[in-house]
Amino acid sequence: GAVVSQHPSRVICKSGTSVKIECRSLDFQATTMFWYRQFPKKSLMLMATSNEGSKATYEQGVEKDKFLINHASLTLSTLTVTSAHPEDSSFYICSASDRVGYEQYFGPGTRLTVT
Amino acid sequence: DQQVKQNSPSLSVQEGRISILNCDYTNSMFDYFLWYKKYPAEGPTFLISISSIKDKNEDGRFTVFLNKSAKHLSLHIVPSQPGDSAVYFCAASVANSGYALNFGKGTSLLVTP
Repeated sequence: GAVVSQHPSRVICKSGTSVKIECRSLDFQATTMFWYRQFPKKSLMLMATSNEGSKATYEQGVEKDKFLINHASLTLSTLTVTSAHPEDSSFYICSASDRVGYEQYFGPGTRLTVT
Repeated sequence: DQQVKQNSPSLSVQEGRISILNCDYTNSMFDYFLWYKKYPAEGPTFLISISSIKDKNEDGRFTVFLNKSAKHLSLHIVPSQPGDSAVYFCAASVANSGYALNFGKGTSLLVTP
């Protein structure tokens, strides 16, 4: 149980375009979903926290107009990187938690490359 | 500002011996701590957790120890197996922040035969 999927696993896009990444909890209802970003040889950095049906809470330094997060249902959250630039190239990982436990279950991640 | 620190970027241990991974934190508000295992290009996998009301939690070969006064926790793996080779992340959260995780930079564990 507690499976989280992400799609796509890899995406290459050109500068200036937008990319949408989906995060789904497959066998549980995720009241809260988190989006992280990992730079090479760095820890996972929290970008934003989203609760179903409400606006995401962004961490300091994360541009909410650039990284659009939607958590429209209890099983789906999306991250849209708008007007992508090469510096947005990174590994993006989502996680989800239900009401019961404190553990977060992570998706497999999405490798974004902006050319 | 790194609130969770893993000061050893790498650790090498022989198969069968004990692996000890350390983690320090600075925020006294953290009340839940977790260890994740991660392979390259994959998401982290939850290993074990501990609440701040406890000082030890054990699950099979994995034991996590928490020393609140020292703001230190450690993960013990015994006996270590080659399949344990991965990057281990320590993470901490605060209940009233929605349990968003603050991660350390990770420790790369290599278990040699």
